[in-house]
Amino acid sequence: DSGVTQTPKHLITATGQRVTLRCSPRSGDLSVYWYQQSLDQGLQFLIQYYNGEERAKGNILERFSAQQFPDLHSELNLSSLELGDSALYFCASSASTEGSLHFGNGTRLTVT
Amino acid sequence: DQQVKQNSPSLSVQEGRISILNCDYTNSMFDYFLWYKKYPAEGPTFLISISSIKDKNEDGRFTVFLNKSAKHLSLHIVPSQPGDSAVYFCAGLDSSGSRLTFGEGTQLTVNP
Repeated sequence: DSGVTQTPKHLITATGQRVTLRCSPRSGDLSVYWYQQSLDQGLQFLIQYYNGEERAKGNILERFSAQQFPDLHSELNLSSLELGDSALYFCASSASTEGSLHFGNGTRLTVT
Repeated sequence: DQQVKQNSPSLSVQEGRISILNCDYTNSMFDYFLWYKKYPAEGPTFLISISSIKDKNEDGRFTVFLNKSAKHLSLHIVPSQPGDSAVYFCAGLDSSGSRLTFGEGTQLTVNP
């Protein structure tokens, strides 16, 4: 158990809709990261927050947004969903600067 | 732009033998390289890392080798055990400490 909690585990929705993925980081970790894993691909970095502020941005679409709240949980908002957004979305947290992230078990998003 | 590449989608070895997983990178600015292991329906789990200024790091059955001139790293697992069967991802960490760039992963199967 990594200590990182992601909800929901599965999400099925239609094109054009909007969804919110939630992440609770490991106790004490100030950094939260979001990654996307599409079919047969590696994990793609989306965005990082540190103590409520955006720290780094990766290949995140404009239709996607995220935030980290004062209690350090984070939400990833995906809007105007397309079929190609179907993927596993992982949240990770960290207390170090050497890349040893603790990943949640992911949210599997299916857009139909 | 595939900065981290794992050319072997799969590897099969016998229990007790050595497993060697390979990874190539193009970005000379990575400060750390990490290996993660992923079981089905779980998030990736940090396994071992190496600083870009070192050429070897060992942790129990796991050893990572870094060849900077060849921009190549490898993970050696010896002896391999059936419980090691998983997808292994290599990743490079940029100098900001924020962004992990992952390879596509290699499915390791250790046969009893």
